[in-house]
Amino acid sequence: DVKVTQSSRYLVKRTGEKVFLECVQDMDHENMFWYRQDPGLGLRLIYFSYDVKMKEKGDIPEGYSVSREKKERFSLILESASTNQTSMYLCASSFQGNGANVLTFGAGSRLTVL
Amino acid sequence: GQNIDQPTEMTATEGAIVQINCTYQTSGFNGLFWYQQHAGEAPTFLSYNVLDGLEEKGRFSSFLSRSKGYSYLLLKELQMKDSASYLCAVRDESNYQLIWGAGTKLIIKP
Repeated sequence: DVKVTQSSRYLVKRTGEKVFLECVQDMDHENMFWYRQDPGLGLRLIYFSYDVKMKEKGDIPEGYSVSREKKERFSLILESASTNQTSMYLCASSFQGNGANVLTFGAGSRLTVL
Repeated sequence: GQNIDQPTEMTATEGAIVQINCTYQTSGFNGLFWYQQHAGEAPTFLSYNVLDGLEEKGRFSSFLSRSKGYSYLLLKELQMKDSASYLCAVRDESNYQLIWGAGTKLIIKP
């Protein structure tokens, strides 16, 4: 019954490495989001997408990029990982339109950069 | 500026009632959400308020006062499985994005 799947639950990378975090949803949602979650802070939006091949910067896009080649898949890329990118990364998706547009989250990818 | 405040941690007893408060200051308002997040798991949706008043859903209720910038989540008949973090989020009217509080960790004791 998993609806938003993040490919890796735990990753350990070295400073300077390129990191790919994959997210797939099976609910035909138009919107997809990448957040990071750090202790003592609210979720912070990195990037989001309202459609295929479309992307918008969130509040903290520096050091990240994204790709949305298919509706169901939204990838987060760290071109050159740094220690301050050690965090929990959460992918989410939602429908568009009026109303609540509730987010459905993946289980998260915990990234450690050494 | 945009700000969401909620207590960092609360403790309650199994079978009791607990109220988790959330106050917000945002440039625009288009709804308030509560999510539950168990340790190591994904946040899951609990409630959505866009108009003032109380929304009841089983053991959980959520209240909103837009004029006061205030919401609370009320949990009744607490169970051990209610031990989790509770996240408050406000949707910004200008860009439809969510502004998140840091979450309240709720500890239930027997």
